[in-house]
This record gives sequence, structure tokens and C-alpha cells, in this order.
Amino acid sequence: EAGVTQFPSHSVIEKGQTVTLRCDPISGHDNLYWYRRVMGKEIKFLLHFVKESKQDESGMPNNRFLAERTGGTYSTLKVQPAELEDSGVYFCASSQVRASRSYNEQFFGPGTRLTVL
Amino acid sequence: KNEVEQSPQNLTAQEGEFITINCSYSVGISALHWLQQHPGGGIVSLFMLSSGKKKHGRLIATINIQEKHSSLHITASHPRDSAVYICAVRRYNTDKLIFGTGTRLQVFP
Repeated sequence: EAGVTQFPSHSVIEKGQTVTLRCDPISGHDNLYWYRRVMGKEIKFLLHFVKESKQDESGMPNNRFLAERTGGTYSTLKVQPAELEDSGVYFCASSQVRASRSYNEQFFGPGTRLTVL
Repeated sequence: KNEVEQSPQNLTAQEGEFITINCSYSVGISALHWLQQHPGGGIVSLFMLSSGKKKHGRLIATINIQEKHSSLHITASHPRDSAVYICAVRRYNTDKLIFGTGTRLQVFP
């Protein structure tokens, strides 16, 4: 079974441009999470989808970031316009929906390294 | 102060040594994850714990809920164990993970 996949693996853009990151979760996983690690810092939560609905978007840094998950399958994270401080590695993770949260193991994608010049 | 603290930040070892990485957290949790990231690689989940101890090959993870502390042990370390090891907790009643800054481990032959 395929794991979580992310595209692209690397993206280099100039300040002010737009970038769209894509995440394909494991088939059948209704939970989808976006996380980000900026240089030298810990990984931080951005948002959580359950199917196509945003369950928690408390970690989204500002309104330049837009996440969508139309149809409840893959998700996109758009940054528009990109700023220098948006550089980092963006990780996606997915998990099944279970009654007990204790068993919702999250499986991570390889990440997208975004560099804003 | 971070809600999840790891120590040490960096660790070097000779092949064969026993290694311990510690994680302390300050919030109520429903689960704790130990994750591994090799240089240039993705994140791999090693363990998910809510109590007690788990073992997988040369890796052992323990958690003490009362003390809000977990340890990851590697027995008979090998250069291929060189990676960043990350502790992450799921705060009680949420699904999002809170991460430590990671421990960079280098094992030399």
C-alpha cells in the first residue's frame, strides 16, 4: 500500500510568488494534517482536515495560507504571496478516524522543502 | 518554554553503545510518538505510546504518565541509527501533535 506522498519534493520561488503544495494521504485515511518546520525550530501544527472539513486550523500563520481538501481525498496548501519567513519543510500526515484518539497513529509524508528567495 | 522538551539536543556515540534520549512534556496527553528522520529523508513513526513500554528490535520506548516523561533507548547502536529523533505528544482531546525540537544522533563506527 502506498504511503503518504507529497509534491513537489522541493520548490524554490521568489518572494511575492505563489506556490501550491500537494499531499496525497493513505487511501482510506479521513484525517489529514499539515505541519511545518522552519529552520532551527520544532515542527509545528498548521491544520487538520477530517474528510473535506477543516477540523482545526489554529496553526495557520496568516491569511496568505489557504488549505483545501475538495472531495476529501488529496489536499493542497497554497501560499500567496510567499514571504521569506515561509521557507521551511512542509509535512503532511494522515490517519484513520477511530473512536479512540489514542490509536490514531499518524503516518507522515516525505515533506516539501520550500525556499523563498 | 516549549511544551515538549527533549534532551540532549545532540548526541554522538560509538558503534555498539547504549543510547538514551529523553522527552518531558508539560501538558495532559492521550499519546506520545517517537519519530525518526534520516538526513534528507521523511519522517518515520517508530512508536506510539499511551502507557508502559514498547520494544521493536533494538529500540525500546518507555513512558511514565505521572512524571510526564518518556525515554527512547537504542541498544547496540549502529551507524545506520544516525538520524534526528523527535518526540511528539497528542494533547488530550485533540488530534494535533506538539513536537520537541529533536535530538540529532550520530553513531560512529
